[in-house]
Amino acid sequence: DTGVSQDPRHKITKRGQNVTFRCDPISEHNRLYWYRQTLGQGPEFLTYFQNEAQLEKSRLLSDRFSAERPKGSFSTLEIQRTEQGDSAMYLCASSPKNPGLAGGRGNEQFFGPGTRLTVL
Amino acid sequence: LAKTTQPISMDSYEGQEVNITCSHNNIATNDYITWYQQFPSQGPRFIIQGYKTKVTNEVASLFIPADRKSSTLSLPRVSLSDTAVYYCLVGAQTGTASKLTFGTGTRLQVTL
Repeated sequence: DTGVSQDPRHKITKRGQNVTFRCDPISEHNRLYWYRQTLGQGPEFLTYFQNEAQLEKSRLLSDRFSAERPKGSFSTLEIQRTEQGDSAMYLCASSPKNPGLAGGRGNEQFFGPGTRLTVL
Repeated sequence: LAKTTQPISMDSYEGQEVNITCSHNNIATNDYITWYQQFPSQGPRFIIQGYKTKVTNEVASLFIPADRKSSTLSLPRVSLSDTAVYYCLVGAQTGTASKLTFGTGTRLQVTL
């Protein structure tokens, strides 16, 4: 399978614990995104990497959240001191360096299956 | 970013054509219109993108009137497997990275 993969698929934790999620993008994609999705809502942008550089962070990404992409390949998203409000689906997406503009797919992003976090 | 408005939900029978309309009154000159599909417990999947007039691919058609203040995603002869949430997004096709801004989407339920 050459799609975006995420691990774990499900995580249940107690309030106050730290959790870390991993995302492996499509191998030739240099851009990686994290989104958060709560029930009944569309995904919300959290942060974006180009290679190993974190170029944009949403104000949704509080100080308890940190994301890394140390070698420009996989990425991790860590949440410290989890709160019940952090319960959501965390989605990772990747896109290529040169999106298919001519093919009308200029801003296509390829999403992984997500990690569902439940904070008790 | 241009705001989009779509119906919250739609119902259809299998075999029918489904048209989902999205309003984007303040779309900018360089904005493109993109539709994504999301099944339960999966990430969204790109369906189609267009700038004006009509775009068709193997999955759907996208109709965009001249004023570009709305667009319609057309799904021909839907099946049960088309039951999903459909998101309309508006943003610049910059050729570089751009975050996607999703609304609440339209929940399409297809029944026999």
